[in-house]
Amino acid sequence: DAGVIQSPRHEVTEMGQEVTLRCKPISGHNSLFWYRQTMMRGLELLIYFNNNVPIDDSGMPEDRFSAKMPNASFSTLKIQPSEPRDSAVYFCASSPRLAGGPEYNEQFFGPGTRLTVL
Amino acid sequence: QKEVEQNSGPLSVPEGAIASLNCTYSDRGSQSFFWYRQYSGKSPELIMFIYSNGDKEDGRFTAQLNKASQYVSLLIRDSQPSDSATYLCAVSTGRRALTFGSGTRLQVQP
Repeated sequence: DAGVIQSPRHEVTEMGQEVTLRCKPISGHNSLFWYRQTMMRGLELLIYFNNNVPIDDSGMPEDRFSAKMPNASFSTLKIQPSEPRDSAVYFCASSPRLAGGPEYNEQFFGPGTRLTVL
Repeated sequence: QKEVEQNSGPLSVPEGAIASLNCTYSDRGSQSFFWYRQYSGKSPELIMFIYSNGDKEDGRFTAQLNKASQYVSLLIRDSQPSDSATYLCAVSTGRRALTFGSGTRLQVQP
């Protein structure tokens, strides 16, 4: 069974360019999370979706960041325009359910996208 | 004050020893607690979760929870060099997504 799939795995771009990160959650999972990880700030939640609906986007740094989940099997995180301080590893994770027992809060992480903005 | 606090380490233990990793949290409404392991350059992977006060054992791993003290820990018995990684504590209040600590780096010396 395939895990969470993210693409691209590495992205190098120049400041001001648009960057789109993609995620395919595990089939049957109905919650999807976007995280950003840096040495300085650790693992930060950017936004999460439940049943394709954004629930909490308070972690999105600013208007340059946007995320969509048009269907249960695909999500994108877009940065436009990108800046050097956006350089980080971006993880997508999915979970079987958001509410319910604690076992349903288990999140399965994708391999991440390492973004470098020059 | 951070919502979930961990000592960044590194915590260095000899092979075969018990490694003790600690985590404190600020939200008394927190309901479930997770320990993730992250190898360098890899994504976090779940080791175990706990939601009741006391101990929960899974193989060489034991999670301990004390809600009164807002404290959760992870013990790794018979530590192996392959356990060397960063261990992330994560907390859930039920409706919200997980809040992660900054992680403790564990080094197991052969």
